[in-house]
Amino acid sequence: SHEWTQPPSVSVSPGQTASITCSGDKLGDKYACWYQQKSGQSPVLVIYEDNKRPSGIPERFSGSNSGNTATLTISGTQAMDEADYYCQAWDSSTAEMVFGGGTRLTVL
Amino acid sequence: EVQLLESGGGLIQPGGSLRVSCAASGFTFSNYAMSWVRQAPGKGLEWVSAISSSGGRTYYAGSVKGRFAISRDNSRDTLYLQMNSLRAEDTAVYYCAKDGALGSGSNFGGQGTLVTVSS
Repeated sequence: SHEWTQPPSVSVSPGQTASITCSGDKLGDKYACWYQQKSGQSPVLVIYEDNKRPSGIPERFSGSNSGNTATLTISGTQAMDEADYYCQAWDSSTAEMVFGGGTRLTVL
Repeated sequence: EVQLLESGGGLIQPGGSLRVSCAASGFTFSNYAMSWVRQAPGKGLEWVSAISSSGGRTYYAGSVKGRFAISRDNSRDTLYLQMNSLRAEDTAVYYCAKDGALGSGSNFGGQGTLVTVSS
């Protein structure tokens, strides 16, 4: 089993834009999803099909996916956005769902 | 509202077997594929297994293939994961998830069940 590659940590000041990347071979040819997991809680889907937001997810969350990299962008980051973020995509070569290693977002 | 209630976790010795369950409510269970995802203490998310809505197709991570078996009972709205030949590295919180179409992500509606493999 393998994982998509994410930076272990990203820091951002309140009100600024945070970008979290997820990379892997031909990731842009697959649909990417993103999950937010706050301490002690279950994961919550924040982006699906590369750039769509589920009902109830704030507009400041957006996504893109091209080439070998998917990106989660949080505009106007708030303290409540501090959490671990995981990307996910289906690897058709192994018929497995694969997560990224996770990125801890710190809002300083 | 999607609700998923995982149960059956506990302390088990290496080499032992355990079955965890997930009771679903708030949606038509038989219409959706389902998955198990685990998280070792202090670590990231790891996909374990998935099953189609009818139960006819199953998928496994390489780390559990041949040891774990996923199944479902659509008459009881319940998902199962039979875990055999358990190892210390299987220690984790096990979450079940309601899957959308491929690429549409999953809904984790529960708090998971902790499986600890230790002598």
